[in-house]
Amino acid sequence: GAVVSQHPSRVICKSGTSVKIECRSLDFQATTMFWYRQFPKQSLMLMATSNEGSKATYEQGVEKDKFLINHASLTLSTLTVTSAHPEDSSFYICSARDSGRRRQTDTQYFGPGTRLTVL
Amino acid sequence: GDSVTQMEGPVTLSEEAFLTINCTYTATGYPSLFWYVQYPGEGLQLLLKATKADDKGSNKGFEATYRKETTSFHLEKGSVQVSDSAVYFCALSNNAGNMLTFGGGTRLMVKP
Repeated sequence: GAVVSQHPSRVICKSGTSVKIECRSLDFQATTMFWYRQFPKQSLMLMATSNEGSKATYEQGVEKDKFLINHASLTLSTLTVTSAHPEDSSFYICSARDSGRRRQTDTQYFGPGTRLTVL
Repeated sequence: GDSVTQMEGPVTLSEEAFLTINCTYTATGYPSLFWYVQYPGEGLQLLLKATKADDKGSNKGFEATYRKETTSFHLEKGSVQVSDSAVYFCALSNNAGNMLTFGGGTRLMVKP
C-alpha cells in the first residue's frame, strides 16, 4: 500500500515550452502533497506544499508563476513548469501524506521522480 | 529553524562490512525522525522511522535509535551488501503540516 506514482518519468522539451508533471496517490487520499527538486548529487529541496482545494504554499525563492501547482482532487496534484529553460532541468519528486485515519499521518510517501531536461 | 546534518560521503565499504552513517539534528520539541533511501534513478523510499525518544526503527537489517540526549539518529547495519549501494537521507518532521527537513544525503558504495 501507500503507492505514489508520477508521470512522466522522463521528459525532454525545448526551451520556452511548458511541461506538466502529475503526482497521484494510488491507494490512499492525500489532502497534502509536496513537490521537491533535486539537483545531481544533492539533497531534496522543498519547492511547495500542495493543498487539495486551495492554493499551494511556496517556499522562499520559488516562483509561483513559474511553477504552477494544482491539487484538484484528493489523489492528484500537478506541477507545471511554464516557459521552461535549461536551468529548470532537474529531478522533480513529489510526496504525499496519507489523510486516512488508519495510517500514521507523519509519514510521507514519495513518487519515483520525473527527470526534466530542457534543451 | 530545524536542521539535519549527515556525514558527507561517499562511504565506500566492502561487502559484509559494518555500516554507520551519522545523523544529528536540531529541532524544537519532539520531532519524528526518518531514514530514506534513494536507489539510482529512483525516488525516495522510507527505510525506517522513530517517533519518540529511545525508539528504535528497523528494516531490512538497518537500525537507528532516536537519541534525544545527543540529538542523533545514526543509521547502522551489521553486514552490508552490494545491493545496499544507494544514497541515504536522514530527515525530521516537526510540525502539523508534516513538512520534512532533509539532511544532505550520504552516498554508500558497497564493493564485492
